[in-house]
Amino acid sequence: DAGVIQSPRHEVTEMGQEVTLRCKPISGHDYLFWYRQTMMRGLELLIYFNNNVPIDDSGMPEDRFSAKMPNASFSTLKIQPSEPRDSAVYFCASSFGRRGLTYGYTFGSGTRLTVV
Amino acid sequence: GQNIDQPTEMTATEGAIVQINCTYQTSGFNGLFWYQQHAGEAPTFLSYNVLDGLEEKGRFSSFLSRSKGYSYLLLKELQMKDSASYLCAVRANYGQNFVFGPGTRLSVLP
Repeated sequence: DAGVIQSPRHEVTEMGQEVTLRCKPISGHDYLFWYRQTMMRGLELLIYFNNNVPIDDSGMPEDRFSAKMPNASFSTLKIQPSEPRDSAVYFCASSFGRRGLTYGYTFGSGTRLTVV
Repeated sequence: GQNIDQPTEMTATEGAIVQINCTYQTSGFNGLFWYQQHAGEAPTFLSYNVLDGLEEKGRFSSFLSRSKGYSYLLLKELQMKDSASYLCAVRANYGQNFVFGPGTRLSVLP
């Protein structure tokens, strides 16, 4: 099992540029989560999917952020245009739900985004 | 709304025992989780409590009191590699996602 795979590991971009973060969940997991972690705000949920369908995107900061899950093995988080305050570590996590409940997440290694 | 509180930092000595507390106020409750996160790495799952009482897993134990909105993580025989942040997370009834606390940064000194 390769775990949750995220790419890139590090991204440095200029303000105003588009940034796309990628995630491959563990095969067979039916929930996928995108989190953002900063020193000031800790770990915050941005959006999560169940069976490729977005369930709760209330944590998405604003319209500049969008997430897609076109199939069970791939998801993207896009920021357009990026701003310095978007600098953070973005984690993708997946889990397997039984009877509508999920247990522990498995996190990817994260993408460290720096917007200059 | 949901609120989860943990101490910001703790320090302990190698070989000792340390208890990290977590208090929560949530609109629903369906499980509490503890995660360990080393600097620059992803959080990893440590323990899960949904009923009151103590769950033991080797050197780590986790306790839950639902009536008090309280949990703690107990680490025994501390090792230097236990230096990390410890995150408490609560799953509410209505959703599948967890709300994470701010984390406690534990430093283990020789």
